[in-house]
Amino acid sequence: QKEVEQNSGPLSVPEGAIASLNCTYSDRGSQSFFWYRQYSGKSPELIMFIYSNGDKEDGRFTAQLNKASQYVSLLIRDSQPSDSATYLCAVNPSAGLTFGKGTHLIIQP
Amino acid sequence: NAGVMQNPRHLVRRRGQEARLRCSPMKGHSHVYWYRQLPEEGLKFMVYLQKENIIDESGMPKERFSAEFPKEGPSILRIQQVVRGDSAAYFCASSPGHAGNNEKLFFGSGTQLSVL
Repeated sequence: QKEVEQNSGPLSVPEGAIASLNCTYSDRGSQSFFWYRQYSGKSPELIMFIYSNGDKEDGRFTAQLNKASQYVSLLIRDSQPSDSATYLCAVNPSAGLTFGKGTHLIIQP
Repeated sequence: NAGVMQNPRHLVRRRGQEARLRCSPMKGHSHVYWYRQLPEEGLKFMVYLQKENIIDESGMPKERFSAEFPKEGPSILRIQQVVRGDSAAYFCASSPGHAGNNEKLFFGSGTQLSVL
């Protein structure tokens, strides 16, 4: 059974602080890893992807991947109220993506 | 450049009726994926299609559900004899190539199916 695990939260972070979101996956054969943001009642929106071990930065977002530990994380710097959403971790072991249930992030003004 | 288009946005059906959900992929994309999302749940993979072919339907219920992606026209997810448990948001995604090759998936707005 291919699984992706996330803490459902809610994770509450003060505005301007760093939000840290974590994800673990079970399939060691997974090659690509994605973070999607989903606002309530909206569709998932791709915000980051990472394929290699280490860090990948894009603006205020940093994705971190550790394949040995089967662990992916997303850091959001200088958190804004507009970052409040559910963040879905997705892993691609084969056709299609396997999603975690998501972490509900709340940025407190 | 239009994104993934899904219609209808909302669909209401009575138990026992049929539901047809449509998805047109992004321009240049030939791979389509259907996902179902229940409240407070993650996205559950249902089926992966290329033009005229079903590549992976491991997430599709064995009965009442079917999907197609014809040579011309949108992909269709069909649910026959709907039951209340089918009420969910159904999302379609597309990619230019095979998802196993690190391709990114882009999602449509979804269809919210409500079964009365």
